[in-house]
Amino acid sequence: AQSVTQLDSQVPVFEEAPVELRCNYSSSVSVYLFWYVQYPNQGLQLLLKYLSGSTLVKGINGFEAEFNKSQTSFHLRKPSVHISDTAEYFCAVKGTSYGKLTFGQGTILTVHP
Amino acid sequence: EAGVTQFPSHSVIEKGQTVTLRCDPISGHDNLYWYRRVMGKEIKFLLHFVKESKQDESGMPNNRFLAERTGGTYSTLKVQPAELEDSGVYFCASSQAGVFYGYTFGSGTRLTVV
Repeated sequence: AQSVTQLDSQVPVFEEAPVELRCNYSSSVSVYLFWYVQYPNQGLQLLLKYLSGSTLVKGINGFEAEFNKSQTSFHLRKPSVHISDTAEYFCAVKGTSYGKLTFGQGTILTVHP
Repeated sequence: EAGVTQFPSHSVIEKGQTVTLRCDPISGHDNLYWYRRVMGKEIKFLLHFVKESKQDESGMPNNRFLAERTGGTYSTLKVQPAELEDSGVYFCASSQAGVFYGYTFGSGTRLTVV
């Protein structure tokens, strides 16, 4: 079984500032890792995923995340945020051999002008 | 290619009524998943179909929930009778068989039971 902890429920930040959304996971097996974003009144959209290879993963809209196996973390970063990045962000994990996703509690990112 | 389609997008029903949610996965995706997010909680797994068979229904909350996937294409999730605590957003996702590349989620159905 897996579990995911998103360490911040809300992150306020000013426009053009950098941001980091933290995610830690627990698993007894190898995992794939994901970040999803939900904009207001929309569905879940994949930001990026780690399946294998380079531990630094680049996604859409300038986001990136780094898989740190020793620290069991998959933090999401963006060097300069925009107002349009205001949304709820979800970290999720899946065992490499079985299908279901386990989600974190979500982090609401609010970008202020 | 068309994405994962869910409908209705919103549903408001009274306690005790029946509601049926539908999910059309990406054509050719054998795997179909249902998830739910109730207010203030994390998104939780409900069940997983492989084609028309239920692979894992460990997340189904109780026997008021019935999921089907006729012919291995679209899926329905029926709640009968609905209770207040069933309110939330129900997401569907699909993925292809074989090599895993990821999931595609639908836009969700927001269910409100009053």
